[in-house]
Formats: sequence, structure tokens, C-alpha cells
Amino acid sequence: AQSVAQPEDQVNVAEGNPLTVKCTYSVSGNPYLFWYVQYPNRGLQFLLKYITGDNLVKGSYGFEAEFNKSQTSFHLKKPSALVSDSALYFCAVRGTTDSWGKLQFGAGTQVVVTP
Amino acid sequence: DTAVSQTPKYLVTQMGNDKSIKCEQNLGHDTMYWYKQDSKKFLKIMFSYNNKELIINETVPNRFSPKSPDKAHLNLHINSLELGDSAVYFCASSPRLAGNFAREQFFGPGTRLTVL
Repeated sequence: AQSVAQPEDQVNVAEGNPLTVKCTYSVSGNPYLFWYVQYPNRGLQFLLKYITGDNLVKGSYGFEAEFNKSQTSFHLKKPSALVSDSALYFCAVRGTTDSWGKLQFGAGTQVVVTP
Repeated sequence: DTAVSQTPKYLVTQMGNDKSIKCEQNLGHDTMYWYKQDSKKFLKIMFSYNNKELIINETVPNRFSPKSPDKAHLNLHINSLELGDSAVYFCASSPRLAGNFAREQFFGPGTRLTVL
């Protein structure tokens, strides 16, 4: 069985400060990891993914994430947060042993960036 | 030029009614999904179709029946609606999935269903 944990319901950060959203996972085999963002009353938008290779993955809107196999983590980061980054962020994992690649989402982390 | 579209955007109905939500994607993807997002924002997959064939069928009441007339459409029909069905339903699509689990999914804007 695969699972994703996002330990923080909400992250508060001042504009211009670094933003980190935490994610840990459990999966059979190697993981495929994804981050999505959901703005109010909108569908989820893909931010970035880790498949293989470089542990640091760069994505949309200046976001990046670091894959850490030993800690089974895939934390999302942005060096300088913007007010417009305020949204709900979802981490998701898919295991390579799942024949049809079902995506398991975390519970989401609400990010609030204050001016 | 919307990639994944859903209709209607809002649906308010009485308990016991039957309703449908439609989803269309113009991305040429082979795989489509239905997700349910509850009031706490938990997102859970319900169904997935690959090229009109059902490949994922989670523990969902059989009042929910997906139908895929072609690979660009995946509709969700719900019979005998209950209060607990109130949620936001998202359709999503991804490129051909078999043998390649690395493809991201593209989500529609959601349908907010309210059962009174």
C-alpha cells in the first residue's frame, strides 16, 4: 500500500521569505512523486515531479523539490514566497509496482503568504 | 481552448435524485479519472478509464457509475443521491498510462455537488 503524509495543515510565511512544504511517503518499489497546487475554487495544477535522476527537481512558478530516499521525503520549496503563492498544496505518490499507477494524494497543506 | 472541462460547475439537488456530471478532454489523452474531494479537502480517486476500459474502481457505492463513450469523455452518473455525496468532483486525464507511471494528470475545474 502507498501513502503520503503532509504533517502540516497550514504553513504561514511572510512574503519574500523561504517557503517549505513537507511531504513524506511510503510506497512499494521506487516512487514517482508529484506536487500539485489548488487555488480557491479551481482544479489542481501540476507543479513538478520526480521520476529519476537528479534529486533536486525544478518546476513551475519558481518552485523546486528535493527527493531524499533515505528519509522518504519530497519537500517542496521556494526561495522567496509571493502573496500569490497562497493556495492548497498536495503531494502525491505513485509506486512503480502498481500495475495501473494509482496516484495517492496527501491531505494537503494550506499555504498562507502575508504581505 | 480548455484542456479538461466539466459540466455543470455547480449542481444542487434533492436527496434521492439521479444526476450526471460530464467531463471532456481535448488533450488527446488515453486515461481519464474521477476524484472526489470532501469538505476537508481530502482527494480520493474513484474511477479510472484507459482507452474506454475501466482500470481503477475504488471502493465506491454502486450508485456511482462511470461511462466512457470515447476516450475523450468520461461521465459520472449518480443514482439515489445521499447527503454524504456532497463534495467537489474532479475529472482528470493523463497520457497513455500503461508501462509509464511518470505522466502527470491534468485536472478539470471541478463540479461542486450539494445534496439537500
